[in-house]
Order: sequence, then C-alpha cells, then structure tokens
Amino acid sequence: QKEVEQDPGPLSVPEGAIVSLNCTYSNSAFQYFMWYRQYSRKGPELLMYTYSSGNKEDGRFTAQVDKSSKYISLFIRDSQPSDSATYLCAPGYSSASKIIFGSGTRLSIRP
Amino acid sequence: GAGVSQSPRYKVAKRGQDVALRCDPISGHVSLFWYQQALGQGPEFLTYFQNEAQLDKSGLPSDRFFAERPEGSVSTLKIQRTQQEDSAVYLCASSLAQGATEAFFGQGTRLTVV
Repeated sequence: QKEVEQDPGPLSVPEGAIVSLNCTYSNSAFQYFMWYRQYSRKGPELLMYTYSSGNKEDGRFTAQVDKSSKYISLFIRDSQPSDSATYLCAPGYSSASKIIFGSGTRLSIRP
Repeated sequence: GAGVSQSPRYKVAKRGQDVALRCDPISGHVSLFWYQQALGQGPEFLTYFQNEAQLDKSGLPSDRFFAERPEGSVSTLKIQRTQQEDSAVYLCASSLAQGATEAFFGQGTRLTVV
C-alpha cells in the first residue's frame, strides 16, 4: 500500500464550480499536510500548509485534515481556468524531514 | 534570480553515459532536496541536505546515483551509467528553515536516456 493515495483524475469542471480534491494516507505519524500545485512543465509550488487536524482557508482555497480518518481535502471555490493544473497532496513527518507526495490529480477548468 | 535554478533544463544521454545535474538553491536556504518525477506521477524523494551534510539518502534508487553539496549551497546530482528507467524530471527544492514545510522548487531537469 502506498503511503499516500490520490485519485489521478483527470477532473474537468466548468468555470465557477466548487472543486473537491482528496487524498488518503496510511501513516499516522504524519503531522504536516501540504498541497502543492504544479503547472505543466513547471516545478510544484506550495499552495496550502496545515499542521495537524482542522481547516485552513486562504482566499478561494480551503484545506481540511482529518487525522482520525487519515483524509486530506482541498476545496477550490469559484474555480477559474487559471486553476487548471495538477494538485499534489503532500504530508510530512515533521518540519525537518522530506515530503511524501501523492501521485497528483490533474484538474481542468472549462471556460 | 530569486528562485531555485536548475541546469540543464533538458538533457539527452545515451545509455551508459554519466550525467551531472546542477541545482542553485535560493541564497541562504539551509535545506535542499532532490526529487525524481516520472511522467504522470508525483515527485519521489531522493535525498536531503542540511547545509553540506547529507542527512537522508534513503530514496536514491541505486549506487549509480550520487549527490553532493560540498559548500552548503550549490548541489549536484550525478547519475552514473544511465539506464532507460532513469528517464524522468529531476526536481530540486530548497527551504530557509530546517525542514521541508515551505520548500521552493526549481523547474526541474528533464532527463531522457536513449
């Protein structure tokens, strides 16, 4: 079993829709939970970062972590064509360790 | 520039050839990471430096892979006797703090072994 499981998509939604992206993980030692966004032929860029369980909101983006069910979510409100990218969930053991990436979900927002 | 810089952007190597990939992290960043990303997959961890010390090399797939950061800034990932399965994008990331929670990635080096 992979440490991080993520539906690869592709996921295609119309502009303005609410998007829900999800990951599950197996290791309860993960404490840091990140979402990275990767545009085609670019490196990943950090989108959201949360520590332990709970919600974090940043503009149109909300990250949710449920450690009891080992479930990570990213919600995008009022989606825009510029949100079209691959979204990678990335839990980490501690602030001083490597990140484990999911396989990424490819998202396309139709104008 | 202010970001992580990787060179070359593209590299084509004949099977059996040695290659060296360079990473210039953001100035002053303590931590440096190398990742390998196969097509359609997420990045896979290779190795981690804190300054010049290589603290974790558990992800290096074989003894053909070697990384160094001798002065705690620029890093080089070397692959000896390249194989076709080494074809991937190699990503470098750096972070100011001790860990990876706010790592900044370069654009990567796309290696194709023919």
